[in-house]
Amino acid sequence: SAVISQKPSRDICQRGTSLTIQCQVDSQVTMMFWYRQQPGQSLTLIATANQGSEATYESGFVIDKFPISRPNLTFSTLTVSNMSPEDSSIYLCSVEKFLNTEAFFGQGTRLTVV
Amino acid sequence: DAKTTQPPSMDCAEGRAANLPCNHSTISGNEYVYWYRQIHSQGPQYIIHGLKNNETNEMASLIITEDRKSSTLILPHATLRDTAVYYCIAPTAGGTSYGKLTFGQGTILTVHP
Repeated sequence: SAVISQKPSRDICQRGTSLTIQCQVDSQVTMMFWYRQQPGQSLTLIATANQGSEATYESGFVIDKFPISRPNLTFSTLTVSNMSPEDSSIYLCSVEKFLNTEAFFGQGTRLTVV
Repeated sequence: DAKTTQPPSMDCAEGRAANLPCNHSTISGNEYVYWYRQIHSQGPQYIIHGLKNNETNEMASLIITEDRKSSTLILPHATLRDTAVYYCIAPTAGGTSYGKLTFGQGTILTVHP
């Protein structure tokens, strides 16, 4: 399994500002992903965080709005830039480990933009 | 990912079996069926997955029809803590990531005392 720690767990931010969310895993993982869960909705994949290279974004998500870093095999950050109230969501980190065939999820970061 | 269809909600009495159906009529031969659940205010949790044989683990059983067009997740003795949204997902296989998931709306299972 994998233990995933996300920080912060929640935050309230002013519109126009940026927030960086951290995802730390207790062991090396092969793949790391970021998801968004808007209020009352299901999860939507934002991007795959690639170690040492630019993240791979899904349709509808762009690097300027959601820059992602992954400097090593256990850590990644997601920044939500120039926030608006529409960015109020839960942001979740998930990972996949070598020889595992399921994903592990963090507890999420609940973001409210006012 | 193959498209999956689930009922939006189901109820179950505590201690009884909860049977959650999922249709995946377009699933291809090498695509697994995965089940995750999301308890309120938590991240999704893996439950079980299978290809064509029935599977059982400490959490649940998965029954897949012979033509693989549908499956049923069975929680044999539901408890109040099993109240959650249950997602049936068929991620694209063949070397791609099993962690790259397309979530539908899932089934909200409510377990009653």
